[in-house]
Amino acid sequence: NAGVTQTPKFQVLKTGQSMTLQCAQDMNHNSMYWYRQDPGMGLRLIYYSASEGTTDKGEVPNGYNVSRLNKREFSLRLESAAPSQTSVYFCASSEVPRDSYGYTFGSGTRLTVV
Amino acid sequence: KNQVEQSPQSLIILEGKNCTLQCNYTVSPFSNLRWYKQDTGRGPVSLTIMTFSENTKSNGRYTATLDADTKQSSLHITASQLSDSASYICVVSAPHYNQGGKLIFGQGTELSVKP
Repeated sequence: NAGVTQTPKFQVLKTGQSMTLQCAQDMNHNSMYWYRQDPGMGLRLIYYSASEGTTDKGEVPNGYNVSRLNKREFSLRLESAAPSQTSVYFCASSEVPRDSYGYTFGSGTRLTVV
Repeated sequence: KNQVEQSPQSLIILEGKNCTLQCNYTVSPFSNLRWYKQDTGRGPVSLTIMTFSENTKSNGRYTATLDADTKQSSLHITASQLSDSASYICVVSAPHYNQGGKLIFGQGTELSVKP
């Protein structure tokens, strides 16, 4: 099925461990995004990639790094996980940057840092 | 300060009943306003998108309204079904010339439809 695929779906980390969240889209979209969703708060943008080869910080980039591996794939890395990074992470894509009409979200990765 | 506020935070209704969810925003200027549906354990899915010049937009049993003067939007669900149980998120898109636009998410309204 066409869409945005995120792996893993669930992950538990110990404080200080590192991990990479993977995201791939098969819609030939140019732009990709990483958001986090916390209880009682709206989704917040961590990083985005307007097009292949570019990445930019969003609202809450501290503690994260990203890589736009190719047009299809955009990964999010936590170098030294902290309990404050416990959240649900969503990857999204759109045909053009901040496309007003076409955002597609993945199903999310639920991350717990203990 | 949250620029997009939704109410109520949660709502329980009986199957077949109608309901209305509210969204107030302070984002100015804005490009468009969207409503998303997020099922448990899934990513948000777009229901409607309205520009500032549109007053209403329908998608099946979902009807969104927008009053750009008072900066208010509502999502009306008609003849609710059990499958309508989800979180409904209001999102305002603000022009951001360096980034081609910025999305500001509300915290969502959790709707539960009971049989």
